[in-house]
Amino acid sequence: QSALTQPASVSGSPGQSITISCTGTSSDVGGYNYVSWYQQHPGKAPKFMIYDVSNRPSGVSNRFSGSKSGNTASLTISGLQAEDEADYYCSSFTSSSPHVIFGGGTKLTVL
Amino acid sequence: EVQLVESGGDLVKPGGSLRLSCAASGFTFSNAWMSWVRQAPGKGLEWVGRIKSKTDGGTTDYAAPVKGRFTISSDDSKNTLYLQMNSLKTEDTAVYYCTTGRAARFDYWGQGTLVTVSS
Repeated sequence: QSALTQPASVSGSPGQSITISCTGTSSDVGGYNYVSWYQQHPGKAPKFMIYDVSNRPSGVSNRFSGSKSGNTASLTISGLQAEDEADYYCSSFTSSSPHVIFGGGTKLTVL
Repeated sequence: EVQLVESGGDLVKPGGSLRLSCAASGFTFSNAWMSWVRQAPGKGLEWVGRIKSKTDGGTTDYAAPVKGRFTISSDDSKNTLYLQMNSLKTEDTAVYYCTTGRAARFDYWGQGTLVTVSS
């Protein structure tokens, strides 16, 4: 089972907005509203940022938002800050057992 | 506060075995679905397997690369999750994370434990 497709890298300047895509198929991203996003700083554990496509867990900044269109989910970060520089991963429920798939990850650079 | 603390990572030779542990606190462990996710050096996240709560059947599922070699178990009396890894291969070298959550949603993560498989 192939990983969900994410761009290898994205970049933006402080204050700008950026969007990271996560593309799958109708068997995963497109078929279910069970897409999550994670932020990982170097040497640290991933942090849960978005669930069920567009919901933020308690404590996550409202600068982070999620959406989905067809087979592609997106994470948007507005008002980019230096501390947002990290790797970002998506995950989705999939119809194929064992029903879990991750994206390959995207490195965000804040210029 | 939810805490997940992994332990047991080590250097092991190819073909060897290792057991990882994850001590959980701050939530009702017996009701939780627990997963192991790994990350090879410089690579992305890879789901390894999960165990459902006893009330949801307590069954386990595994990713294809580890099926038949890895076994996940839990001890609700100790609030501890385990990952027994047998017939280890060099490609199993990774940081192994313990996580909570279901439906491809992983709410909380431990700090990870490093497993190195090398001769």
